[in-house]
Amino acid sequence: AQKITQTQPGMFVQEKEAVTLDCTYDTSDPSYGLFWYKQPSSGEMIFLIYQGSYDQQNATEGRYSLNFQKARKSANLVISASQLGDSAMYFCAIEPRYGQNFVFGPGTRLSVLP
Amino acid sequence: DVKVTQSSRYLVKRTGEKVFLECVQDMDHENMFWYRQDPGLGLRLIYFSYDVKMKEKGDIPEGYSVSREKKERFSLILESASTNQTSMYLCASSFGQGGLGGGYTFGSGTRLTVV
Repeated sequence: AQKITQTQPGMFVQEKEAVTLDCTYDTSDPSYGLFWYKQPSSGEMIFLIYQGSYDQQNATEGRYSLNFQKARKSANLVISASQLGDSAMYFCAIEPRYGQNFVFGPGTRLSVLP
Repeated sequence: DVKVTQSSRYLVKRTGEKVFLECVQDMDHENMFWYRQDPGLGLRLIYFSYDVKMKEKGDIPEGYSVSREKKERFSLILESASTNQTSMYLCASSFGQGGLGGGYTFGSGTRLTVV
């Protein structure tokens, strides 16, 4: 069975600083995808970034980058230059195999301080 | 812009009522999902569907049923609402067999309170 672990229930970061949200996963599948979603207080889940297990380079999307270490089974999200609007819950998820359902982590609540 | 629309953002229902939560997507996605989200428990899969008229139980189907008569619409039904079904309900859809970075597109959620 697949599993996602996010060890930080809550994080604080000063505005304009960078922050890393941890995600480790457990899967025996050779091919999988890793996703990060943001959920602001409004409730909607917003897709942020994707990393395929065979991608050679770490994914980047604007201020978001994914620190993917396949051997360690970790896929940490790095947010550079934090903004107040980044305050939200962040979920890491794995699609274990093409066509299988996602498995979500418990989430990390990020609070950006002015 | 692709969209998943949930009919209500907030809903208050009485115990024992039959409740319908509607979800419509305009992306021609094959797959649709219903999750509930509770503090400390994360997202839990209730039901999913890979095709019209097809449905599969997720991790917590008890007390729920679903309907998918059309590709774009996936309804979650609480046959007899109970207070322990007070929760945030999230609908999602994905293309084909998912994967390849397509990911899930979520609706904005329905906060259901059963009194």
